[in-house]
Amino acid sequence: QQQVKQSPQSLIVQKGGISIINCAYENTAFDYFPWYQQFPGKGPALLIAIRPDVSEKKEGRFTISFNKSAKQFSLHIMDSQPGDSATYFCAASIRTGTASKLTFGTGTRLQVTL
Amino acid sequence: DVKVTQSSRYLVKRTGEKVFLECVQDMDHENMFWYRQDPGLGLRLIYFSYDVKMKEKGDIPEGYSVSREKKERFSLILESASTNQTSMYLCASIGTRAEQYFGPGTRLTVT
Repeated sequence: QQQVKQSPQSLIVQKGGISIINCAYENTAFDYFPWYQQFPGKGPALLIAIRPDVSEKKEGRFTISFNKSAKQFSLHIMDSQPGDSATYFCAASIRTGTASKLTFGTGTRLQVTL
Repeated sequence: DVKVTQSSRYLVKRTGEKVFLECVQDMDHENMFWYRQDPGLGLRLIYFSYDVKMKEKGDIPEGYSVSREKKERFSLILESASTNQTSMYLCASIGTRAEQYFGPGTRLTVT
């Protein structure tokens, strides 16, 4: 079964610090790697995504680093803020004959303290 | 803005009841998905639909069925609810760049 392994399970970072969440995948057919942010009581929302032809993508304080040879990708949150406290999911997408399907990591609960 | 709505935010049902969860999207997306979310397990795909009346099993389809009679609407059906189906259920539709848009979720409790 296709898998995406995510770590750590939980993370506590001080305000202003850097939050780093890592994911690893197995299937080299994955062609799209999004990160989702989920606040309590809400559905996940797309945060940032990358395709395997680039090694890094930055949007504001959020950066994805992608290492194709190692089959790993990570989310970096610079200058972390209390409002970033949420659960983060990495995912990997594969195109089947009928649709693009996402496989999700198990999630990281981030808490940013004052 | 893409909007995915789910019929209920919270639902309490008894064991053995038939349960319907409805999802509606307003972006004319062809592909729609149903997931369940459990602590420590992430999001797991139950079923998805790639067109009206078309469906495919996901990773955990047992105990569930789906219906898609109209493009904008995708229903998840628990034929006979059991306590191990207590979970958060999330519906999503997919855009042209493979990005998925999620609804707010339905927290189902089966007693």
